Amino acid sequence: DTGVSQDPRHKITKRGQNVTFRCDPISEHNRLYWYRQTLGQGPEFLTYFQNEAQLEKSRLLSDRFSAERPKGSFSTLEIQRTEQGDSAMYLCASSRRQGEAFFGQGTRLTVV
Amino acid sequence: GQQVMQIPQYQHVQEGEDFTTYCNSSTTLSNIQWYKQRPGGHPVFLIQLVKSGEVKKQKRLTFQFGEAKKNSSLHITATQTTDVGTYFCAGLGTSYDKVIFGPGTSLSVIP
Repeated sequence: DTGVSQDPRHKITKRGQNVTFRCDPISEHNRLYWYRQTLGQGPEFLTYFQNEAQLEKSRLLSDRFSAERPKGSFSTLEIQRTEQGDSAMYLCASSRRQGEAFFGQGTRLTVV
Repeated sequence: GQQVMQIPQYQHVQEGEDFTTYCNSSTTLSNIQWYKQRPGGHPVFLIQLVKSGEVKKQKRLTFQFGEAKKNSSLHITATQTTDVGTYFCAGLGTSYDKVIFGPGTSLSVIP
């Protein structure tokens, strides 16, 4: 399968714990995006990478969120000291610079 | 910062009726993309418009990009139950930076 893959698909964690999600983009795509989506809303931009460089991070994100894309390949999104408000679907997408975004299946996070 | 709005938020139509959703950006875009998300699924790319005033068709779907490259529309003719889902527009800024999604229009089709 050459699509975007995300791991895990589901994550249940206790409030205050740290979680890390992984995204493997389509190999020839140099852009990688992280979005967050809650029920009935559109994907909310979190951050994006051009190759290994993180070009922008949403001002809505607190310092508890961090993302990396070492060597411009896969990416990880870490949330420290999770809160119930972090419960959402976390979507990863990859694209060429001007092209359409291909989404992964997402990681559904539930903070209890 | 760049904002993308869509109206309506919800639309319920009888099968066979037409449907239109409108998208507006606060800034000029380099391109506009449309996605469809089925319940429980992830957004799936439909089409990309690049040129001012561009119109593209995919079977019963017609996509239009405004002359100022700040607005767009998606029109579905004679809706079918398979059209059910949420339709998102997403704009790429003129500096080719990030893709920002609108809040989506949720379409329900009553058989």
